[in-house]
Amino acid sequence: QVQLVESGGGVVQPGGSLRLSCAASGFSVSDYGMHWVRQVPGQGLEWVAFMRFTGSDKYYGDSVKGRFTISRDSSKNTLYLQMNSLRAEDAAVYYCAKGHPNSHDYMDVWGKGTTVTVSS
Amino acid sequence: DIQLTQSPSFLSASVGDRVTITCRASQGISAYLGWYQQIPGKAPKLLIFAATTLQRGVPSRFSGSGSGTEFTLTISSLQPEDFGTYYCQRLNAYPFTFGPGTKVDIK
Repeated sequence: QVQLVESGGGVVQPGGSLRLSCAASGFSVSDYGMHWVRQVPGQGLEWVAFMRFTGSDKYYGDSVKGRFTISRDSSKNTLYLQMNSLRAEDAAVYYCAKGHPNSHDYMDVWGKGTTVTVSS
Repeated sequence: DIQLTQSPSFLSASVGDRVTITCRASQGISAYLGWYQQIPGKAPKLLIFAATTLQRGVPSRFSGSGSGTEFTLTISSLQPEDFGTYYCQRLNAYPFTFGPGTKVDIK
């Protein structure tokens, strides 16, 4: 069964760092493009980052570029999002999602999300 | 960046109604558009990809049309389980932005 489970969310001070993890099962993260998407409770979806299956191409939303880094550990079948220089506006539920087999740009399997709170 | 707008932002309809949601792009994006449904408290779910292709397992009452700058998601006969918020997303170029969403309420 294809499944994604996020972890690593929590409370962090402004300017701090946090690393989110997304453990995959039922497929290999190195075979598909993988995404991070976030959502402030009660608001819309914001696409955050994407890593191609090759692992060499990574893309970011404008609001996180230069502060967030997407990566993966194929041996652990896990996707990561390293978040540095966190701001109040980064507080959200963070979802990881798997790329669709037909086109990895679309997201066909999602995790349940992990919550990041940025507060002093 | 190319912006997406959705209309309406909110709609209330009865079970059995035909519902249409429109997504407009500020510039042409060919057919690089997806539709997602989000039930409150749940992760989003892919309904339509490449503007018109129904995702496997999604009921056939959902359909997508359009290309270029105007796209529609149609629910042919609204069911109680269809309440939630619907988002379009453009995927023609990075960053992959979402539309603001259309909240669907069942009367």
